[in-house]
Amino acid sequence: DVKVTQSSRYLVKRTGEKVFLECVQDMDHENMFWYRQDPGLGLRLIYFSYDVKMKEKGDIPEGYSVSREKKERFSLILESASTNQTSMYLCASKGAGGWGYTFGSGTRLTVV
Amino acid sequence: EDKVVQSPLSLVVHEGDTVTLNCSYEVTNFRSLLWYKQEKKAPTFLFMLTSSGIEKKSGRLSSILDKKELFSILNITATQTGDSAVYLCATPGGGTSYGKLTFGQGTILTVHP
Repeated sequence: DVKVTQSSRYLVKRTGEKVFLECVQDMDHENMFWYRQDPGLGLRLIYFSYDVKMKEKGDIPEGYSVSREKKERFSLILESASTNQTSMYLCASKGAGGWGYTFGSGTRLTVV
Repeated sequence: EDKVVQSPLSLVVHEGDTVTLNCSYEVTNFRSLLWYKQEKKAPTFLFMLTSSGIEKKSGRLSSILDKKELFSILNITATQTGDSAVYLCATPGGGTSYGKLTFGQGTILTVHP
């Protein structure tokens, strides 16, 4: 089975801190995605990557950046965390064909 | 801009009830519609629908797509407490490449014993 692993399940950070959320997949998928999930808003795409070192903005990229130095790892960076970035963050990956996403278990980030 | 709207946003039922969850969409280049179930953690795939009127079925769950009216429904019969979850629908429409999905808000289903 494809596995998408997010390094932290729960994270509490202070306003202004730089935060790294890590995601690793083990099936050689080209495409990786970062979503945030908020009640009543569903999942919203922050950034995605279709290849190593390639990235594209999603619908809500402000306040975030990403890094994909290796195919299996896609990192989401909050340059200066703010309270409105408190959310559940979901990473997903997908191979080149079809629409089969595999999601990680999520990181619940609280910014205080 | 692609849009996916789910209703209701939340639903509380008792075991044994049948529920219908709705998903309407507006996309510029429809390809498929996907349903996911999310319990405490990662969403898990339920169905992918591409053709109108063809029901997909898995146990007590079934789903159908209407491409003319631009909606899909997810039915769950004889609900159990284990069906309690957030149900998400999504579409990769809009001519996107790389598999970028647009999600609805989700329906929170709570099944009481």
